[in-house]
Amino acid sequence: NAGVTQTPKFRILKIGQSMTLQCTQDMNHNYMYWYRQDPGMGLKLIYYSVGAGITDKGEVPNGYNVSRSTTEDFPLRLELAAPSQTSVYFCASSYPGRGGEKLFFGSGTQLSVL
Amino acid sequence: AQSVTQLDSQVPVFEEAPVELRCNYSSSVSVYLFWYVQYPNQGLQLLLKYLSGSTLVKGINGFEAEFNKSQTSFHLRKPSVHISDTAEYFCAVSDRKTSGSRLTFGEGTQLTVNP
Repeated sequence: NAGVTQTPKFRILKIGQSMTLQCTQDMNHNYMYWYRQDPGMGLKLIYYSVGAGITDKGEVPNGYNVSRSTTEDFPLRLELAAPSQTSVYFCASSYPGRGGEKLFFGSGTQLSVL
Repeated sequence: AQSVTQLDSQVPVFEEAPVELRCNYSSSVSVYLFWYVQYPNQGLQLLLKYLSGSTLVKGINGFEAEFNKSQTSFHLRKPSVHISDTAEYFCAVSDRKTSGSRLTFGEGTQLTVNP
C-alpha cells in the first residue's frame, strides 16, 4: 500500500534554479492537489486537478506550474526559485464525489531556497 | 469563499487530562468540516469529518467534535489524552456546492501532552 508518494523528501535550491517535485498515487484517484505549509499559516492550496489533462489554480499559484498527463502523476514545477518558496510541500489525492471526501496526503517535500 | 480560525496556536496539557481544540469557520454557503492530524515529519491524516446528520461526530483515537451551526464552530475534544496524541491538529472546511474536496485549512494547533 504505497498511497501517495512524494520525491524528493528534502531539497536545497539556489535562487533562480528550477526543479520539479514529483507526486504519484496508486489509488486510482481522479482528484489531486498540491499544498504548501508554512509555520503558523496552515496549508495553502497551490494547484489542483480533477482528472488527467485538467488542472486549475488554487489560492497561491504564482511561481508554480503543474501538469497532469496521467491519473497517477501530478508533478509541481518551480521555474525560478525564490526565497519565498521555502516551505514544506504536500501532495494529496481523493476520490471524485459530491464533496466531503477524505484526502490522502504524501509525507511532504521540505524545500529551502537560499 | 470560506475561512477557518483556530483559536489556539498551542495547547499544552498533562497526560490523562481532557482537551478541547477550538475551531470557528466563516462561510456564506453550507460547508463540510474536517479535523486532520499531523504527526512529526508526516503528512496529514483525517481524524473525523462532519457531512450531515448528527452534530456530534466521532473519529479515530477517541476524538470527537461537535458541529454548532449557530456559533459556526467545530471544536475537537478528547476526554483523556495520551503522550502519543502530541501532534499538530488542523481544522478544515470545504464548500458543499462549488469546491468539492478542495479544503481551506486553519493555521493549526500544536497539542503537546506532557507526562
